[in-house]
Amino acid sequence: GENVEQHPSTLSVQEGDSAVIKCTYSDSASNYFPWYKQELGKRPQLIIDIRSNVGEKKDQRIAVTLNKTAKHFSLHITETQPEDSAVYFCAARSGNTGKLIFGQGTTLQVKP
Amino acid sequence: NAGVTQTPKFQVLKTGQSMTLQCAQDMNHNSMYWYRQDPGMGLRLIYYSASEGTTDKGEVPNGYNVSRLNKREFSLRLESAAPSQTSVYFCASMIGGFGYTEAFFGQGTRLTVV
Repeated sequence: GENVEQHPSTLSVQEGDSAVIKCTYSDSASNYFPWYKQELGKRPQLIIDIRSNVGEKKDQRIAVTLNKTAKHFSLHITETQPEDSAVYFCAARSGNTGKLIFGQGTTLQVKP
Repeated sequence: NAGVTQTPKFQVLKTGQSMTLQCAQDMNHNSMYWYRQDPGMGLRLIYYSASEGTTDKGEVPNGYNVSRLNKREFSLRLESAAPSQTSVYFCASMIGGFGYTEAFFGQGTRLTVV
């Protein structure tokens, strides 16, 4: 079945440090991999995504990488700031059904 | 332009009671989804509707039913609530094409079953 595993479940860093969140997926037909950020008490919102024909994508302080062979993708946040504190979800879109399956979430805490 | 609207925002039910969570979107999207969010478990898919008139089970459909009333509305019904259904429920409307899907979430419904 379709499954997305996300690690770590919690991550605490000092302001200015980098943070890395990793995900693996099981469905080899998955073709799109978004990342969502959920601030406390708010709804998840898309922050960056990557398609299956691309290996890396950057947007200012955030970047995503994809290794299709290993079925693995990662979110990298550089120069972290307190406002980066949130829950981050990775997801994979099934190439067969189009369903969006989410990982378990990572709670990122950036300490000032 | 409201986006995705869920009602109610909060609800407390007694075990065995029933209720319907309402979701409406004004973005003319074909696909709509229901997820539940539990600590450490992420967003788990309950049911989804790829287009008006179709619904399909997700990862955790047991104890739930859905209705895609029209293109705008997708409701989730709990026929006989159980404490294990205590959760935050999110409806999402999705736009996508080949190799792309963006989810727009409602504000969530915090449900407690006692």
